[in-house]
Amino acid sequence: QSALTQPASVSGSPGQSITISCTGTSSDVGSYNLVSWYQQHPGKAPKLMIYEGSKRPSGVSNRFSGSKSGNTASLTISGLQAEDEADYYCCSYAGSSTPWVFGGGTKLTVL
Amino acid sequence: EVQLVESGGGLVQPGGSLRLSCAASGFTFSSYWMSWVRQAPGKGLEWVANIKQDGSEKYYVDSVKGRFTISRDNAKNSLYLQMNSLRAEDTAVYYCAREAWHLDYWGQGTLVTVSS
Repeated sequence: QSALTQPASVSGSPGQSITISCTGTSSDVGSYNLVSWYQQHPGKAPKLMIYEGSKRPSGVSNRFSGSKSGNTASLTISGLQAEDEADYYCCSYAGSSTPWVFGGGTKLTVL
Repeated sequence: EVQLVESGGGLVQPGGSLRLSCAASGFTFSSYWMSWVRQAPGKGLEWVANIKQDGSEKYYVDSVKGRFTISRDNAKNSLYLQMNSLRAEDTAVYYCAREAWHLDYWGQGTLVTVSS
């Protein structure tokens, strides 16, 4: 099972919006509505930001939104803030035998 | 409050063994699949293994099949990862995570370093 494809880095200025893409295949992203997104600050554990493609856990800002089209999922962060600077990983369910496949991660820089 | 606390990491020589533990609290442990996910230094996340609520189903990433064994003790609210025949490429922070069709809670991680 290959990793999902994410851009290595994205950047934006405070107040702007950015979108991170996550491309998989018809065996993972395209087959299941089970894409999740995780935020990870340096030295910290990943934190769930989006699940089932577009749902936000309690406590996650509504500035974070998710979507999916075909084999590609996207995470959009609007109204960028300094504390959004972190690594972001997408993850998709890929079937019972190898259930979770991650993207390579995207480093978000807030300029 | 859901808490997952890993322990058992450390420095081990290539070919050696290590057993990681994850103590769970704040939820009904026996009702959830659980996973181990690792992150090599400076690298991305990699799912390693998971286990069904009653331990009857277990799955592994190809690179650890035959070397790692995931298990759980629902009476002790604990998850384990027995790692044998360790290699340098197993060096990583190992996280335990609760599954709910996504990985909704993660521990703080425990560092495993495989080096001579």
